[in-house]
Amino acid sequence: DIVMTQSPDSLAVSLGERATINCKSSQSVLYSSNNKNYLAWYQQKPGQPPKLLIYWASTRESGVPDRFSGGGSGTDFTLTISSLQAEDVAVYYCQQYYNTPYSFGQGTKLEIK
Amino acid sequence: EVQLVESGGGLVQPGGSLRLSCAASGFTFSNYWMHWVRQAPGKGLVWVSHISSDGTTTNYADSVKGRFTISRDNAKNTLYLQMNSLRAEDTGVYYCARVAMHGGNSLGYWGQGTLVTVSS
Repeated sequence: DIVMTQSPDSLAVSLGERATINCKSSQSVLYSSNNKNYLAWYQQKPGQPPKLLIYWASTRESGVPDRFSGGGSGTDFTLTISSLQAEDVAVYYCQQYYNTPYSFGQGTKLEIK
Repeated sequence: EVQLVESGGGLVQPGGSLRLSCAASGFTFSNYWMHWVRQAPGKGLVWVSHISSDGTTTNYADSVKGRFTISRDNAKNTLYLQMNSLRAEDTGVYYCARVAMHGGNSLGYWGQGTLVTVSS
């Protein structure tokens, strides 16, 4: 099974500043035949279901603000919020959908400093 | 508008059974793979199971294999999760989710979840 590990577990960033969350997979999630990374990022606010932000590691879901961006390939990935807004306070999860079981990272709690 | 509405959660004793349902609307249900994801109170997301659009292919997390069965009724636009031999560690909110339009098996639409509590 693929293990997903996020860092840090929690993060406090000032409004308007950059926030970066890391995600590492225990094996590559890059499918060589189509050169796609099977990696997604989700945002979950208290009392709400998760919301898809990024898929294929770097493709923003429709309606997601462009301050959110995803990067990386193979086993190492990042989610970056370029200028933190108050509404971005949430827990963020990465997930691989390369192989079942489609494992999630443990989550990163993002707060305002 | 895509809508997913889970039901069937509740309090059950260890060893008991529950069947969760997820009513789908706003899209052609029979065209999409569907998933179940759970979240224990105050904890992270755990993928549970998925099923192909025609219902012929299923996969499960090791922790539920042999105890849970995912199924679907495309005529009724409904996804199911039959949960048997329930354990305390199965407690949590269970979400059904539909794959994203263009994102492979990334999960683009989620229901609000239904709470399952396994306790004596």
